[in-house]
Amino acid sequence: TQLLEQSPQFLSIQEGENLTVYCNSSSVFSSLQWYRQEPGEGPVLLVTVVTGGEVKKLKRLTFQFGDARKDSSLHITAAQTGDTGLYLCAGNNAGNMLTFGGGTRLMVKP
Amino acid sequence: EAGVAQSPRYKIIEKRQSVAFWCNPISGHATLYWYQQILGQGPKLLIQFQNNGVVDDSQLPKDRFSAERLKGVDSTLKIQPAKLEDSAVYLCASSLASQYGYTFGSGTRLTVV
Repeated sequence: TQLLEQSPQFLSIQEGENLTVYCNSSSVFSSLQWYRQEPGEGPVLLVTVVTGGEVKKLKRLTFQFGDARKDSSLHITAAQTGDTGLYLCAGNNAGNMLTFGGGTRLMVKP
Repeated sequence: EAGVAQSPRYKIIEKRQSVAFWCNPISGHATLYWYQQILGQGPKLLIQFQNNGVVDDSQLPKDRFSAERLKGVDSTLKIQPAKLEDSAVYLCASSLASQYGYTFGSGTRLTVV
């Protein structure tokens, strides 16, 4: 079983602060995805990274895929209260199946 | 584009009862997944369908869980008999292919008392 570990599990910050969430595995993935989930809803795809070392930016969110395609990070600049939610990373293997990490629960306080 | 539809949104049952969940994926998405998400954890794959065939059900507790996808469109997931530890949100997702990401439904929150 391919295991994805996310850290931290919980993060509470003030609006305007920066933060980084990490997703680590001992396994290599063909691609990695980040999702955001709000209470009572299903996860929503934010980004897919495919190439080792790849960096993608989505407004204030920056996603990086590790060179060895085993880890990834999500950096949020100047967090807003609307960024509050559960952030999930998910690794894709050759079997067309996603394995999810345990999630990072982010709370941004006004 | 219509999203993934799931019903019911909430269900409360007593242990040892049976329950069924329904999912209608996005039109044209051949791949359908059922995930179990226990409170505070990430989703765990239960079963993956490609059209109406099972691709992976290695983590499905087959002594009590069953799923089918007749005609390669809608799917149902059944639990019989339910246990207290089955309390969770059951998420259905569909995709063209995993590299394009999954589209999730809003889930069914099951409480077993």
